[in-house]
Parts: sequence; structure tokens; C-alpha cells
Amino acid sequence: AQKVTQAQTEISVVEKEDVTLDCVYETRDTTYYLFWYKQPPSGELVFLIRRNSFDEQNEISGRYSWNFQKSTSSFNFTITASQVVDSAVYFCALCRYSGAGSYQLTFGKGTKLSVIP
Amino acid sequence: DGGITQSPKYLFRKEGQNVTLSCEQNLNHDAMYWYRQDPGQGLRLIYYSQIVNDFQKGDIAEGYSVSREKKESFPLTVTSAQKNPTAFYLCASSIGFIRQGKLGETQYFGPGTRLLVL
Repeated sequence: AQKVTQAQTEISVVEKEDVTLDCVYETRDTTYYLFWYKQPPSGELVFLIRRNSFDEQNEISGRYSWNFQKSTSSFNFTITASQVVDSAVYFCALCRYSGAGSYQLTFGKGTKLSVIP
Repeated sequence: DGGITQSPKYLFRKEGQNVTLSCEQNLNHDAMYWYRQDPGQGLRLIYYSQIVNDFQKGDIAEGYSVSREKKESFPLTVTSAQKNPTAFYLCASSIGFIRQGKLGETQYFGPGTRLLVL
């Protein structure tokens, strides 16, 4: 069974603080992809990153960084020097094979981040 | 600009009524998806389509129906059989496994439709 757990339901930080959002996943597949999406108050999901199971290099994009550790089945997301515009719900997702050549995303329940000015 | 549009932004349904949510994309994507989001929950897959004239049930298809007559369009009908339809509905699209042939293609989302029951 595929499962994504985001144990942090809500996090509040003061602007300019660093914050890490945790994501733990379960899968029996040896090849899989992991994603992070941002959902601002407007509701649209914005794609942030995709990572495949063979690439364990950490990735940095501006103030965002991702730490993928296959040994612990975790794919954590860090925002450095947080800003008010980072306030949103963040979802971690796992791509799974659903048969007949189709692939589906399994989402975690999301972490609501509030950045306080 | 390429993207995904959903309409209406808000939709009200009366008891026993069927309503249809629109989803259009001009990204030339083969695959399209419908998700439902409830407060404090992740997204759950309702239906998906990998190609025109073909679609598959997702995890929570009961009470919903779809059609895929055109590549650009994937409307979702919430039928009267769906007893708890109040939710935020998100449409997504991706290049498509058939063309890309690769696991883990990225899905891009529309702005969503919020459905409320009167």
C-alpha cells in the first residue's frame, strides 16, 4: 500500500525564521517519484519539485531546499528565511503505479504554514 | 498563456440536482484528472483520463461521472447519488504516460471549483 504522512498539521513561524516541513512515505515500489506542491489561499496547487527514487542529492532552489533520504523514507522541505508570502498549505505526494499503464498521485494531508510578520 | 481553467469558481447545488464542473486545458496534455479536497484533508482522486474517449475510476468515483470527448476538456458531473458533495474540486493535467512513457510525470492544477449544497 502507498501512503504519505505529513505529521505536522499546522506550523507557525515568525518571518525570517527557517522552517522544515516533514514528509514520510511508504511504498513497495523500487522506482517512484515524490512531489511537493504549495496551495496558497487562492486554492490552486502550485508545483514545487519532483524527485525520483534514484536521485538522493539534495536540491536547493532559492530559499527552498529538499532533503531526500531513502533510508528513512523521508522527503523533507525547508524554507530558509521565511516570508509572509510563504503562508500556504504544503502537500507532499507520491506517484504510484495503478495498473494498465496509469500512474496516480497519493497525497499527504498537508501542512498549513503560517508566517507571522 | 497556457494553463488550466475551471469554471465556475463557486457552484451551488440543490438537493437531487446534477451539476457539471468544467475543466479546460490548452497545454496539449493527454492526461487529465479530477480530485476532491475536503477541509484538512489531502486530495483524493475521483476520475482520470489518459487519452480522449477513455477514462478510469479513481479512489472515490461513486456519485460522479465524466466524459472526455475532446483532448482539451474533461467535465465532471456531480450526480444526485453523491450524498456529500460539498468540497473543493481540482482539475489537473499532465503530458500523459502514453506520450512520455515515464513514471512520475508532473501534474499541473487548475484554480478549483468550490461546490456548496443549498
